[in-house]
Amino acid sequence: DADVTQTPRNRITKTGKRIMLECSQTKGHDRMYWYRQDPGLGLRLIYYSFDVKDINKGEISDGYSVSRQAQAKFSLSLESAIPNQTALYFCATSDSRLGKTDTQYFGPGTRLTVL
Amino acid sequence: GENVEQHPSTLSVQEGDSAVIKCTYSDSASNYFPWYKQELGKRPQLIIDIRSNVGEKKDQRIAVTLNKTAKHFSLHITETQPEDSAVYFCAASKDNQGGKLIFGQGTELSVKP
Repeated sequence: DADVTQTPRNRITKTGKRIMLECSQTKGHDRMYWYRQDPGLGLRLIYYSFDVKDINKGEISDGYSVSRQAQAKFSLSLESAIPNQTALYFCATSDSRLGKTDTQYFGPGTRLTVL
Repeated sequence: GENVEQHPSTLSVQEGDSAVIKCTYSDSASNYFPWYKQELGKRPQLIIDIRSNVGEKKDQRIAVTLNKTAKHFSLHITETQPEDSAVYFCAASKDNQGGKLIFGQGTELSVKP
């Protein structure tokens, strides 16, 4: 779905570095989510945001922070990256106003490697 | 909190056969159960979903069944085709959590020609 974009698509970094992953959407959705995907573990929710002023922790928020700069932008930061944060990261959006709150649309993913 | 278990982790079928993937959930308050398909190197995409007020939903070759009493739901794919090969994820959510989905671990389906 080209309406949800993520940058960068791939990133290699070193332990201790600060990293920011960005997500933008042109779908006009109010809700945004960050997940990480690891083999055999499925998709795990890191943070989610219902609107610009609403940020919530997910299942695995330790070591991560987020910023909802605008309705269309939701950034994920790793303040001090560590190797076990190596994963594929997905942003997703949903629109509560249509009565389909739970239908989520995913971005293309960011593959992050921490050495 | 909610926990979703998905089985099997891998599934191999011959083209034309049926495939069934099963999920169980722990929170009886969950009332929305979507299934996502992720092709290799691609993003997950919703293929079908069901809400707790119905027991079965079909969309062409795909169907989902829900047993609220037993707290499990299943994905059924009939007449499988090679393009059905992908990783499938189930998930569960409560409406009052506004779309917070808890995913299963995924099933890698391989359809052999």
